[in-house]
Amino acid sequence: QLVLTQSPSASASLGASVKLTCTLSSGHSTYAIAWHQQQPEKGPRFLMKLNYDGSHTKGDGIPDRFSGSSSGAERYLTISSLQSEDEADYYCQTWGTSLSGVFGGGTKLTVL
Amino acid sequence: VQLVESGGGLVQPGGSLRVSCTVSGFAVSSNFLSWVRQAPGKGLEWVSTIYADGSGGSRYYADSVKGRFTVSRDNPKNTVYLQMNSLSIEDTAVYYCARATYRRSWYELDYWGQGTLVTVSS
Repeated sequence: QLVLTQSPSASASLGASVKLTCTLSSGHSTYAIAWHQQQPEKGPRFLMKLNYDGSHTKGDGIPDRFSGSSSGAERYLTISSLQSEDEADYYCQTWGTSLSGVFGGGTKLTVL
Repeated sequence: VQLVESGGGLVQPGGSLRVSCTVSGFAVSSNFLSWVRQAPGKGLEWVSTIYADGSGGSRYYADSVKGRFTVSRDNPKNTVYLQMNSLSIEDTAVYYCARATYRRSWYELDYWGQGTLVTVSS
């Protein structure tokens, strides 16, 4: 079964960097994923598509501070030079059969 | 590109409701659209995807809504609908529509609406 696993929470200081993790279930380690950001009381926003080899393509207007990388079944989102507006929920997402979407449980990022 | 959901509201258990997603900047007929919902305080849950006309217009649903929800499209109005029947309290959520764009051999949910709240309560 295709499952994406995320840590429920993360925190980092203003101006620092943080690395969020999304883990693909066994047998799905080559899947591409997407990262989405959801700021409080807003709809989600597409950040990037991230491939198994770490290559990634970002959405319109996404700052260079956001980057992605991969290692095996793990997909990472790194945010550098953290700003207050980066405080948000971050979801990873992929596709199962027939474009059935699968989301991770989300990581709530707190900027200290 | 803009997606605007509407039609949410309060409905009793067992009732029905139709929510809409009106788009601008692209044609619903030639794009894949997905519905995603978020229960209060919870994460995102995929609900449905409707394929573009040129790809057969197929519709797919999450097991949790299959047989109760129906996605459809009105091309002249550039609008996608989600008809929800036999609603239960567990369907209470903000419902988002998102465009799924085929790019670099993958479908990206690249634009999202702001959502519409559906509350199922007696």
